[in-house]
Amino acid sequence: DGGITQSPKYLFRKEGQNVTLSCEQNLNHDAMYWYRQDPGQGLRLIYYSQIVNDFQKGDIAEGYSVSREKKESFPLTVTSAQKNPTAFYLCASSLRTGPNQPQHFGDGTRLSIL
Amino acid sequence: AQKITQTQPGMFVQEKEAVTLDCTYDTSDQSYGLFWYKQPSSGEMIFLIYQGSYDEQNATEGRYSLNFQKARKSANLVISASQLGDSAMYFCAMASNNAGNMLTFGGGTRLMVKP
Repeated sequence: DGGITQSPKYLFRKEGQNVTLSCEQNLNHDAMYWYRQDPGQGLRLIYYSQIVNDFQKGDIAEGYSVSREKKESFPLTVTSAQKNPTAFYLCASSLRTGPNQPQHFGDGTRLSIL
Repeated sequence: AQKITQTQPGMFVQEKEAVTLDCTYDTSDQSYGLFWYKQPSSGEMIFLIYQGSYDEQNATEGRYSLNFQKARKSANLVISASQLGDSAMYFCAMASNNAGNMLTFGGGTRLMVKP
């Protein structure tokens, strides 16, 4: 079945450590996105990519990095510079960017600090 | 800048009854899209329904319909015949050309269906 796969489901980070969250899609979508969700709140955009080898910062990009070397993959690295990384991270994709393009989401990764 | 407001933090509805979840938006763009997503306690975001700013008819998808009132800038979600499985967080979101076509989400409404 087509969809978006995020791994791992749960992730723990030690102080000063970088961690990478995986996001893979087999929907043949051009656009991919990373969001952060804090408890009881809506989603905030971290980074997005409209095409392979291109990505742009969202509203809260500081302390995060991404790459888009393949159409189907858009990994997110939470660096040690991100001082409050505990959150729920959601990856999404859409056929392309546009006001009429619904985004489809993965199941998310919960990141916690040890 | 675009903004989405959901004024109902939580709502109860009796099973089999209809419920309306409110959403108002603010944008200066003429071309935009409005979306509703459902987030169960497991965390995944499920796309429910879409309404384009130029669509003349309200969108419907099964038990979901969108009450689009453009002049009032509102896009309320109506769920008919509520089921226990409808208990979840519901998020309204919009995308517009002026905002780079990125989704902006509201703060969400928690819906609880009573048996």
